[in-house]
Amino acid sequence: GAVVSQHPSRVICKSGTSVKIECRSLDFQATTMFWYRQFPKQSLMLMATSNEGSKATYEQGVEKDKFLINHASLTLSTLTVTSAHPEDSSFYICSAYSGGFSDTQYFGPGTRLTVL
Amino acid sequence: DAKTTQPNSMESNEEEPVHLPCNHSTISGTDYIHWYRQLPSQGPEYVIHGLTSNVNNRMASLAIAEDRKSSTLILHRATLRDAAVYYCIRSNFNKFYFGSGTKLNVKP
Repeated sequence: GAVVSQHPSRVICKSGTSVKIECRSLDFQATTMFWYRQFPKQSLMLMATSNEGSKATYEQGVEKDKFLINHASLTLSTLTVTSAHPEDSSFYICSAYSGGFSDTQYFGPGTRLTVL
Repeated sequence: DAKTTQPNSMESNEEEPVHLPCNHSTISGTDYIHWYRQLPSQGPEYVIHGLTSNVNNRMASLAIAEDRKSSTLILHRATLRDAAVYYCIRSNFNKFYFGSGTKLNVKP
């Protein structure tokens, strides 16, 4: 299957700082990338959908000014958590989708964010 | 509701087949069915996906009901490494709808 990487895998930061998470599709071009967050023992919750070269579409209840998403190329999307607070601590997972009707999405390994 | 419905948990014995069910009674004609599995603190791993016909790959088989309102992921011989949360997902182009997943426990 296709490979998607995420960096960093784990980050600890102080409250009020901003954190950037990178998501890369290593061996295919991703017209769409998705960002999810997951709380312990729960399913993945879609935060936003980003299409290359256009603004991200955020799910209801997700603050677009807090979770900045950039999808500047077909292989890279970034999620920046601005002014992070302890309640933003979570497991953030990205996925990449090539855009074909019969295609599937491939997930990154996830980033564990802990805000102190 | 666009989500899928799965049992919260299932248990299997090692070396035996496992059938993981998924209900998607409101599926539309162009929706695909995808299965992923997730280990703790890891991203979901792709298992299999299909539209109408049954699908096989090296990891599993996917049996889709004739009316497409349900499907079953089949692990032919469960191993301890198959213990994970299995997610059944519907998709329509770039819209993917997650269910709550089934936690599979494999007993040695």
